[in-house]
Amino acid sequence: KAGVTQTPRYLIKTRGQQVTLSCSPISGHRSVSWYQQTPGQGLQFLFEYFSETQRNKGNFPGRFSGRQFSNSRSEMNVSTLELGDSALYLCASSRAASRNNEQFFGPGTRLTVL
Amino acid sequence: AQSVSQHNHHVILSEAASLELGCNYSYGGTVNLFWYVQYPGQHLQLLLKYFSGDPLVKGIKGFEAEFIKSKFSFNLRKPSVQWSDTAEYFCAVNLFSGGYNKLIFGAGTRLAVHP
Repeated sequence: KAGVTQTPRYLIKTRGQQVTLSCSPISGHRSVSWYQQTPGQGLQFLFEYFSETQRNKGNFPGRFSGRQFSNSRSEMNVSTLELGDSALYLCASSRAASRNNEQFFGPGTRLTVL
Repeated sequence: AQSVSQHNHHVILSEAASLELGCNYSYGGTVNLFWYVQYPGQHLQLLLKYFSGDPLVKGIKGFEAEFIKSKFSFNLRKPSVQWSDTAEYFCAVNLFSGGYNKLIFGAGTRLAVHP
């Protein structure tokens, strides 16, 4: 069974640009969550999608947005990039949005903002 | 606000030493608890999880963790570490409320095991 895949794996952008990251969940998984990992802040929850609906959002500015498609694939977008957005962005999928579900993580997209 | 605290940021051990990594969370409701591991250059992998039942849970690679509700703790243990256990370990709490999942992670503990 294929795991969570994320594309691209590495990305270099400059300040002010925007970026779109993609995540394909494990087959059959309908919940997709996004996390930002930085050395200073650790792993922080960005948002969760289930059945194309954003169900929860973390404490990030509106420049961070996402969406989920009918096949459960998800994208996140960051507009007007800032240097502080440099991070590893992780996607995680789980079977359903219920309590007893573990999340499976992808390898991440490492974004560098120059 | 809900939070997860990992007491040790860096741990250095020799092979065969015993390991215990502390994790405490602040949340009064029902939680699901996890330990994830991130080996160098690899993605986060689940070590073990607690949903309900026996508070002593066993995971992969000889790891175990004990949920002590009264102490809001979920400490990770391994009786004898190996060089291959060198990694970063994250404790996480899943707050399931209102129909959504939200994993809150601790800051992580970097473990270095010397041969």
